[in-house]
Amino acid sequence: EAGVAQSPRYKIIEKRQSVAFWCNPISGHATLYWYQQILGQGPKLLIQFQNNGVVDDSQLPKDRFSAERLKGVDSTLKIQPAKLEDSAVYLCASSGDGYEQYFGPGTRLTVT
Amino acid sequence: GQQLNQSPQSMFIQEGEDVSMNCTSSSIFNTWLWYKQDPGEGPVLLIALYKAGELTSNGRLTAQFGITRKDSFLNISASIPSDVGIYFCAGQALYNQGGKLIFGQGTELSVKP
Repeated sequence: EAGVAQSPRYKIIEKRQSVAFWCNPISGHATLYWYQQILGQGPKLLIQFQNNGVVDDSQLPKDRFSAERLKGVDSTLKIQPAKLEDSAVYLCASSGDGYEQYFGPGTRLTVT
Repeated sequence: GQQLNQSPQSMFIQEGEDVSMNCTSSSIFNTWLWYKQDPGEGPVLLIALYKAGELTSNGRLTAQFGITRKDSFLNISASIPSDVGIYFCAGQALYNQGGKLIFGQGTELSVKP
């Protein structure tokens, strides 16, 4: 069974530029999560989708971050405009019927 | 907000030694998950716990769901060099049925051959 796929793996941008990340969850998983992991910390949830609906986006900085999952499968996370403090690893995870979440390899973003 | 305190922050051990790490919470959890993260990779699920008092093993790894529902423990027996990495606990709160996980800060494990 294929795992969670993410791209790109690495991205370097200048502050005030925009960037987008893509995630393809495990086949059949209805729930998709985006996390931000700052160096030396555990992942922090940004947004959770159930199929193509948002379940929780309470910690998403909505003035600059947006996410969508239009067909209930793939998802994109966008940052516009980026700030220096957005430098982090962005992790996508998915889950099926249970609470076990499976993570992709992440996208390492560096904002200069 | 909810916080998970994971300890120790880092460990330096000799190959073959046993390792213990734990997480404590200020509130009750109904699910505990333990993950391992290698450099440049996403966290990999090791063990999932769903009942207070539950003790579950996965090879040389054993994890327990604390009776109070506010803590969990992970033990690694007879450590080997490939155990090196960062171990995270994650809990799901009783009142939050959406599956939102709260992560600890991680325990970085170094194993000396």
